[in-house]
Amino acid sequence: AQSVTQPDIHITVSEGASLELRCNYSYGATPYLFWYVQSPGQGLQLLLKYFSGDTLVQGIKGFEAEFKRSQSSFNLRKPSVHWSDAAEYFCALRDNTDKLIFGTGTRLQVFP
Amino acid sequence: KAGVTQTPRYLIKTRGQQVTLSCSPISGHRSVSWYQQTPGQGLQFLFEYFSETQRNKGNFPGRFSGRQFSNSRSEMNVSTLELGDSALYLCASSLTLPGQGEYEQYFGPGTRLTVT
Repeated sequence: AQSVTQPDIHITVSEGASLELRCNYSYGATPYLFWYVQSPGQGLQLLLKYFSGDTLVQGIKGFEAEFKRSQSSFNLRKPSVHWSDAAEYFCALRDNTDKLIFGTGTRLQVFP
Repeated sequence: KAGVTQTPRYLIKTRGQQVTLSCSPISGHRSVSWYQQTPGQGLQFLFEYFSETQRNKGNFPGRFSGRQFSNSRSEMNVSTLELGDSALYLCASSLTLPGQGEYEQYFGPGTRLTVT
């Protein structure tokens, strides 16, 4: 079955600290993977995507993610978190019918 | 370029009523998808339209329907509303054709539907 797991429901970090949000997937072939961010009351904004090629992908707002096939993971990272990064983050997989399967999300809280 | 727009942004309806939500994709985008977001079920795919044809459908009852017009604008309709239909309904559009490699979706701000 195709699925996405985000093990961490809620993460709290201090401003300026590094961040890693975990994402694991289950898919039979090479996956198309995405990270989206959602601020309260807003829609989803695409942070970055992996289709093929370089396994380290750069996104907007200073985020990056690394695709690791051996671990079925696509973790999101940022070296230094800003207070404005507080939001909910969703990892998603594009399945073989082109619809997006989302993880349950990780809520990021940033302390000053 | 304007993003995906959804109207209305907020809606309150009573059980048993029906509702129509509208989505205007980014200019030039021909694929439109709809998702339902609830605290309990998370983000779930409803359906996708491309060139006025429903291309893909999620596991929702027949009360949920949609359509796409020739200008790529899309509407979704929910009939006989239930309390459990209260959710944020998100629309997403895509430039590339479904099935092509670089197919990515851009989301609108959503319509918050409350059923009382």
